[in-house]
Amino acid sequence: DVKVTQSSRYLVKRTGEKVFLECVQDMDHENMFWYRQDPGLGLRLIYFSYDVKMKEKGDIPEGYSVSREKKERFSLILESASTNQTSMYLCASYSFGTSGRHTEQFFGPGTRLTVL
Amino acid sequence: GQQLNQSPQSMFIQEGEDVSMNCTSSSIFNTWLWYKQDPGEGPVLLIALYKAGELTSNGRLTAQFGITRKDSFLNISASIPSDVGIYFCAGPRDDKIIFGKGTRLHILP
Repeated sequence: DVKVTQSSRYLVKRTGEKVFLECVQDMDHENMFWYRQDPGLGLRLIYFSYDVKMKEKGDIPEGYSVSREKKERFSLILESASTNQTSMYLCASYSFGTSGRHTEQFFGPGTRLTVL
Repeated sequence: GQQLNQSPQSMFIQEGEDVSMNCTSSSIFNTWLWYKQDPGEGPVLLIALYKAGELTSNGRLTAQFGITRKDSFLNISASIPSDVGIYFCAGPRDDKIIFGKGTRLHILP
């Protein structure tokens, strides 16, 4: 019953390293999202994508980039990791149903990234 | 940007008590969503509301879509230990989902 998977649950990287976080969904959803979650700040949208090769900046895109080469896969890239990027990263996907109603947005289990 | 204001930020209750939390916005939403996040996991959708005034239940959970479309409420009856977690309200806006900052529920033994 796998829906959204993330490549790692826990990751430890050093400052300056390039970091790839992978997300895969098996529901054929058009829309995919990357959030980071920090205590007291809730879920903050980093980037989202509504189609293959399309990407849109969210609220906090600085220091991040994304890649959507295939519909089912949405990657978050930290070009040069910094300590303030230590956080929980959540991937999600959803699509609108035929009635135009929002269908369930599924989240992955999250990746807890620590940058030393 | 758009904001959803959730209150309270955290709650400490006794097992068996009922819980109420709410979410407000300065702008109208046509859909309200309530999620729960267990510790160490991603959020899971509990209830979706599509119509102003709508009252929807899911087991011990009941959520209401405010008549003004600018607020929503979530109630949990007879809380149990597994209700612990963070509850988020959310609403679709364009191609995005806007989230509140969450209400953290603690249950005292």
